[in-house]
Amino acid sequence: GAVVSQHPSWVICKSGTSVKIECRSLDFQATTMFWYRQFPKQSLMLMATSNEGSKATYEQGVEKDKFLINHASLTLSTLTVTSAHPEDSSFYICSAKEIAKNIQYFGAGTRLSVL
Amino acid sequence: AQTVTQSQPEMSVQEAETVTLSCTYDTSESNYYLFWYKQPPSRQMILVIRQEAYKQQNATENRFSVNFQKAAKSFSLKISDSQLGDTAMYFCAFMKRPGGSQGNLIFGKGTKLSVKP
Repeated sequence: GAVVSQHPSWVICKSGTSVKIECRSLDFQATTMFWYRQFPKQSLMLMATSNEGSKATYEQGVEKDKFLINHASLTLSTLTVTSAHPEDSSFYICSAKEIAKNIQYFGAGTRLSVL
Repeated sequence: AQTVTQSQPEMSVQEAETVTLSCTYDTSESNYYLFWYKQPPSRQMILVIRQEAYKQQNATENRFSVNFQKAAKSFSLKISDSQLGDTAMYFCAFMKRPGGSQGNLIFGKGTKLSVKP
């Protein structure tokens, strides 16, 4: 299957700093990428949908100024958690939709710990 | 709005036996996709199987097969010859057929499957 690379896998940061997470589709082009948040023992919660070359669409309740999404190319989307606080600590997962197949492939996730 | 329901929070099965995970969904769409993803302890989401709603034939992938009942809006996953590596959280998911939507997935709450030696 198609491969999605997500980096970093684990990041620890101080409260008030910003953290950037990268999501790359390695062997296919993805006009649409998705960002999810997953709390322990829960399902994935969609945060935003990212389209190449346009502004992201955020789900209700997700602060777009805190979670900045950029999708500058057909293979790369980034999520920046700005002014991170301990309550932002979570597991963040990206996915990329392969155009022709209507399948989402997932990155390995990023564990964010804010001290 | 679409919803996906997985009514079994946890299940267990003996190695080499067969287990079936349940999933029901609600939608007014006629064209859509259904998926099963597994999330092992590594937390990497892995696509297990995919079904297109307009296809009557049930999808199969090696030891994994589905029972797709469109009228009943049911989409169960059968795992045959269970292996220890099948231990994972299994999520059922719905995707509207694009042509208006961007193809976002709607997930169920998951079923934690434990395969016992």
